[in-house]
Amino acid sequence: GAGVSQSPSNKVTEKGKDVELRCDPISGHTALYWYRQRLGQGLEFLIYFQGNSAPDKSGLPSDRFSAERTGESVSTLTIQRTQQEDSAVYLCASSLVWGQSTEAFFGQGTRLTVV
Amino acid sequence: QQQVKQSPQSLIVQKGGISIINCAYENTAFDYFPWYQQFPGKGPALLIAIRPDVSEKKEGRFTISFNKSAKQFSLHIMDSQPGDSATYFCAAAHGGANNLFFGTGTRLTVIP
Repeated sequence: GAGVSQSPSNKVTEKGKDVELRCDPISGHTALYWYRQRLGQGLEFLIYFQGNSAPDKSGLPSDRFSAERTGESVSTLTIQRTQQEDSAVYLCASSLVWGQSTEAFFGQGTRLTVV
Repeated sequence: QQQVKQSPQSLIVQKGGISIINCAYENTAFDYFPWYQQFPGKGPALLIAIRPDVSEKKEGRFTISFNKSAKQFSLHIMDSQPGDSATYFCAAAHGGANNLFFGTGTRLTVIP
């Protein structure tokens, strides 16, 4: 596709339910990132994929959060037993690893509301 | 631990004025310093970026000033326009990790 695509764009879920967020990066981009943005806050790094592997999982806030990537393409971020503090916009970005370039292209995000 | 510290948190500028946003970092391995612009309901988009081999980079009304010894860099928006009203994020990365560390953002409002 032309850009990074995220789905769903909005998700309302009940506390305690599991949710799965999807990211389709730009074709050919080997690096993929997940960030969380709480209302009025900055971007909180969650996890980063190089190809299908995740060398840095340090940003995942708890063991309720997990992510995977397959085929160096689609990634899913799963939040189990959602809590109200998980409410935020979850942003995905991808970048082409080539030389020194690390420009990241962001999707529009998934707005998650836990009620 | 905040890898990149950004200030101010919010900024109000009159149309035609200069907007200045500052960032500081500690990790001397950082070698790529981009600025991202985010409009409400949208993801951040790259605005301008600089590498530490130059002290300034200008693109239209947007200029990055980089001070390697002080480990600081700033974004200057000349002739600020109401359409520049957005949240601006500075970021830093080093090639080995290929990860971006973002500042906390500055909400800019340009008053007509």
